[in-house]
Amino acid sequence: QKEVEQNSGPLSVPEGAIASLNCTYSDRGSQSFFWYRQYSGKSPELIMFIYSNGDKEDGRFTAQLNKASQYVSLLIRDSQPSDSATYLCAVKHNNNDMRFGAGTRLTVKP
Amino acid sequence: KAGVTQTPRYLIKTRGQQVTLSCSPISGHRSVSWYQQTPGQGLQFLFEYFSETQRNKGNFPGRFSGRQFSNSRSEMNVSTLELGDSALYLCASSRSGGEKLFFGSGTQLSVL
Repeated sequence: QKEVEQNSGPLSVPEGAIASLNCTYSDRGSQSFFWYRQYSGKSPELIMFIYSNGDKEDGRFTAQLNKASQYVSLLIRDSQPSDSATYLCAVKHNNNDMRFGAGTRLTVKP
Repeated sequence: KAGVTQTPRYLIKTRGQQVTLSCSPISGHRSVSWYQQTPGQGLQFLFEYFSETQRNKGNFPGRFSGRQFSNSRSEMNVSTLELGDSALYLCASSRSGGEKLFFGSGTQLSVL
């Protein structure tokens, strides 16, 4: 079983819609969760992090965490073509190393 | 503040050779992590260094090694290169590890 799992996609949404990206993790002791965005040919960049159960909002982005279900998600409201990228879910293990999912490729169509 | 710097940007090697990649973290960051990225596999964790000590290691063979210097700069070495080692190697730094990572531009390694 992979430590961090994501649907590889591609996920396609129309401009203005809500994009929903999901991630599950296997280490129940994980404490910190991150979403990175990676444009084609570029390096990953951090867009959201969440430590506590519930929702965390930052502009058009909302991260949701459910530790009981070992599930973390990212919602992108009012999706724009510039949001088209691969979104990587990352989980910090108790020993401090960060493990990534394979990423979900999102395409926002004008 | 300068970002994470990786050199070289591109490398072409042949099977059996060895290669050394370099990473200079953001000033003040003491943790450096290395990842291998291939299409469809995402980022695979290689190892993490903190204060010149390897603190964590992923599931890669012993041909992959690294070190960190007193100024937090890190190098990664791959010996006896195989075709399957062709990948983008990313370095990321953070203040103390396991938190917000800042990535370099990566080194694209091609093994022929």
